[in-house]
Amino acid sequence: AQKITQTQPGMFVQEKEAVTLDCTYDTSDQSYGLFWYKQPSSGEMIFLIYQGSYDEQNATEGRYSLNFQKARKSANLVISASQLGDSAMYFCAMREGRDAGKSTFGDGTTLTVKP
Amino acid sequence: DAGITQSPRHKVTETGTPVTLRCHQTENHRYMYWYRQDPGHGLRLIHYSYGVKDTDKGEVSDGYSVSRSKTEDFLLTLESATSSQTSVYFCAISEGDTIYFGEGSWLTVV
Repeated sequence: AQKITQTQPGMFVQEKEAVTLDCTYDTSDQSYGLFWYKQPSSGEMIFLIYQGSYDEQNATEGRYSLNFQKARKSANLVISASQLGDSAMYFCAMREGRDAGKSTFGDGTTLTVKP
Repeated sequence: DAGITQSPRHKVTETGTPVTLRCHQTENHRYMYWYRQDPGHGLRLIHYSYGVKDTDKGEVSDGYSVSRSKTEDFLLTLESATSSQTSVYFCAISEGDTIYFGEGSWLTVV
């Protein structure tokens, strides 16, 4: 069975600094994908970034990058130059097989950006 | 925006009553999903659909049923609501390697 572990229930970062949110996963599949979602206090789930298991380069999307270490089974999210609007809950998720919709989610990390 | 609309957005219901949540999408997506999110936790898959009348169970399907008679609508029914089903329910579609979520439906069972 697949499993996602986010060990940091809460994180604080100073505005304009970088922050890393940890995610480790466990799967026996060779082909899988890893996602990060942001959930602000308003409740919607916002897709941030995706990394496929066969992708050789780490994914980047603007200020977001995914530090993918396959041997360690980790997929950490790095947010550069934090902004106050980055304060939210962040979820790491992994898709089962080829169906992105059948994903397993971690319990999330609450990020608070301090001015 | 994947054109997903959920209704109702908020509902309070009594234990033992049936409840139906509706997910409507306007972009002809084949694959649709229902997830639930409990306080302080991530999302868990309830049911999913790969097309009209093609549905299957997810991780936490007990107490729920679904129907999909039209491509655009995916209905989630709580047969007899219980307090443990108080949660936020998210509908989703998948497109390539990404899933997009609706805005969520907040359900409280009292």
